[in-house]
Amino acid sequence: KNEVEQSPQNLTAQEGEFITINCSYSVGISALHWLQQHPGGGIVSLFMLSSGKKKHGRLIATINIQEKHSSLHITASHPRDSAVYICAVSPYGNKLVFGAGTILRVKS
Amino acid sequence: DAGVIQSPRHEVTEMGQEVTLRCKPISGHNSLFWYRQTMMRGLELLIYFNNNVPIDDSGMPEDRFSAKMPNASFSTLKIQPSEPRDSAVYFCASSSPGTSGYTFGSGTRLTVV
Repeated sequence: KNEVEQSPQNLTAQEGEFITINCSYSVGISALHWLQQHPGGGIVSLFMLSSGKKKHGRLIATINIQEKHSSLHITASHPRDSAVYICAVSPYGNKLVFGAGTILRVKS
Repeated sequence: DAGVIQSPRHEVTEMGQEVTLRCKPISGHNSLFWYRQTMMRGLELLIYFNNNVPIDDSGMPEDRFSAKMPNASFSTLKIQPSEPRDSAVYFCASSSPGTSGYTFGSGTRLTVV
């Protein structure tokens, strides 16, 4: 079993829809990260969480440490949100363990 | 700051040749990471450095891979000899305790033929 599981693997949404991507992990962590990778390959760090909730524009990330679960929400989705969203955890030190990613496609 | 700078962006080389990938982290970041991304295995940590010292190289696939960080502003990942299965995108990233996450370079797409 992977230490980090994401769902869904693929997601297609219509522009304007509210989107949720889930991440579950099985190890103790010091932090959880959400990353975005656009076609063409660049990786951008969206959030780093150790508790609670963070918001940046239309993106919201939450984490429940007791349940070992995090969600990434996108409100009012737009085609430019189409990307791969990757959940990663820091079990110890600085290293990251990655989920397999969720491929999001937002249609206009 | 120009961000994490990797070179080259693309590298095509023949099997058996030596390949050197380069990374300049963000100034002031004291941790540097080398990751590899493939379709089959996703993103994997190869090695990371804290304050120029290698901390965890357990992800380095085999002795053909080596990484150095001679100073705080430069790191290399070398593959010698290269093999077709080394074809992947190699990312460098840096971070610092005072920052809120990692900054990734644009990656080097390596193709070994």
